[in-house]
Amino acid sequence: EVQLVESGGGLVQPGGSLRLSCAASGFTFSTYEMNWVRQAPGRGLEWVSYISGGGDSMYYADSVKGRFTTSRDNAENSLYLQLNSLRAEDSAIYYCARVGQSAAAGQIFDYWGQGTLVTVSS
Amino acid sequence: DIQMTQSPSTLSASVGDRVTITCRASHSISSLLAWYQQKPGKAPKLLIYKASNLESGVPSRFSGSGSGTEFTLTISSLQPDDFATYYCQQYNTFWTFGQGTKVEIK
Repeated sequence: EVQLVESGGGLVQPGGSLRLSCAASGFTFSTYEMNWVRQAPGRGLEWVSYISGGGDSMYYADSVKGRFTTSRDNAENSLYLQLNSLRAEDSAIYYCARVGQSAAAGQIFDYWGQGTLVTVSS
Repeated sequence: DIQMTQSPSTLSASVGDRVTITCRASHSISSLLAWYQQKPGKAPKLLIYKASNLESGVPSRFSGSGSGTEFTLTISSLQPDDFATYYCQQYNTFWTFGQGTKVEIK
């Protein structure tokens, strides 16, 4: 069974840092592209970042570029998101999401974790 | 950047109703559009990919159509389990979600 479990969220002051983790199981992690998606309280979904299966390609939304860094450890089946220079508007539930491997379907998000809440406040 | 606009933002309907949600892209995205369902406190769930293809296990009352810039999600006969928020997502150029449509009980 595919499982994605996020952790590392919490309360942090503006300007602070946090590192989120996503533990993957039930599939060959290293062969899957992964993403982070966030959702501010009561708001819609926002794509945050992408990382290739080998970890050599990363892309970011303009809203987080230069402040957030995504990485992965395929030996540990783990995905990470380093959040720096945090702002109030970064407060959200952060989800990790797997990109499906069907060439016919394209790069859809076929499995999601349950999310971890980040609150940026003084 | 490709912007996605959903309408309506909220939809009030009764069990058994036929429901249609529209999603418009600011640029052509071919058929690279997905629909997700999200219930309160839960992660989104994939319903439809490539505009009209039903994900495995999704009931056949859900259907999608469209290409280019205009897309629709239709629920042919609304069931109690379908009251949720629905998001479209383009995956032609990176990924962008619509703002969501909440389907609530009338």
